[in-house]
Amino acid sequence: SQQGEEDPQALSIQEGENATMNCSYKTSINNLQWYRQNSGRGLVHLILIRSNEREKHSGRLRVTLDTSKKSSSLLITASRAADTASYFCATDASVGGAQKLVFGQGTRLTINP
Amino acid sequence: DTAVSQTPKYLVTQMGNDKSIKCEQNLGHDTMYWYKQDSKKFLKIMFSYNNKELIINETVPNRFSPKSPDKAHLNLHINSLELGDSAVYFCASSRLRGLYEQYFGPGTRLTVT
Repeated sequence: SQQGEEDPQALSIQEGENATMNCSYKTSINNLQWYRQNSGRGLVHLILIRSNEREKHSGRLRVTLDTSKKSSSLLITASRAADTASYFCATDASVGGAQKLVFGQGTRLTINP
Repeated sequence: DTAVSQTPKYLVTQMGNDKSIKCEQNLGHDTMYWYKQDSKKFLKIMFSYNNKELIINETVPNRFSPKSPDKAHLNLHINSLELGDSAVYFCASSRLRGLYEQYFGPGTRLTVT
C-alpha cells in the first residue's frame, strides 16, 4: 500500500495567496522529500527533510515534519502562476536492504491569476 | 546539458509488440531507477540499479527487463506489450542508493493500442 498520502487532492487559489499541502505516512522514516511535477514533465526535487528535523525552508517553500503524527506539510508563500503543478511527498522504505522512495498520489495545485 | 534523458518521449504501439526505452544520466550518479506513473498520477518504482547491479525489483511482470550496460545508462525492454502497460515511464538517478534526492528524466508516454 502507499506510504504517503497527500491532502487535499486538488487545491485552487489566487495568485499571491499561500498554499498548504499535507502528507501523511504510515511507517517510520529516515527522511521525507517533496517533489513538483509540471504537466507533461518529470518530477523535480524541492526539499528533503530528515526525521530529526522539524522545519526546513527553501526560498518561498517551508516544510514541516511531525514524526509523532507521521505527517508533513508543504507551504508555498506568495504563490505565482508558475507554481501551478502537482506536488508529491515521498518517504523512504526498506526493500531487502535497499532503500526506495514511495510516493503519494500528489496534490494538484492551480494558481489563478 | 540534460541531466537525465530518455528516448523516445512518446511511444505508440500495438498489443503484443516488443519495445525499448533508453535512459542516460550525465550526473555521475551510482544509482538509477525506473518508475511507472499511471493515469491517476500514482508513481511507483519498478526497478533500481546501483553500479549496474539490480537492487530493487518490485514485483514487475517478467515481460519487463531492465538492462544497465554501465552506471550511466539504464534501459527498459518490454516484451508482449499489453493494454495495461500504457502509462508514463520515468527514469531517475541519485547520488547513492537510498536516502538522497532523485533526479528525474522527462518521461516516456507509452500508449498500447
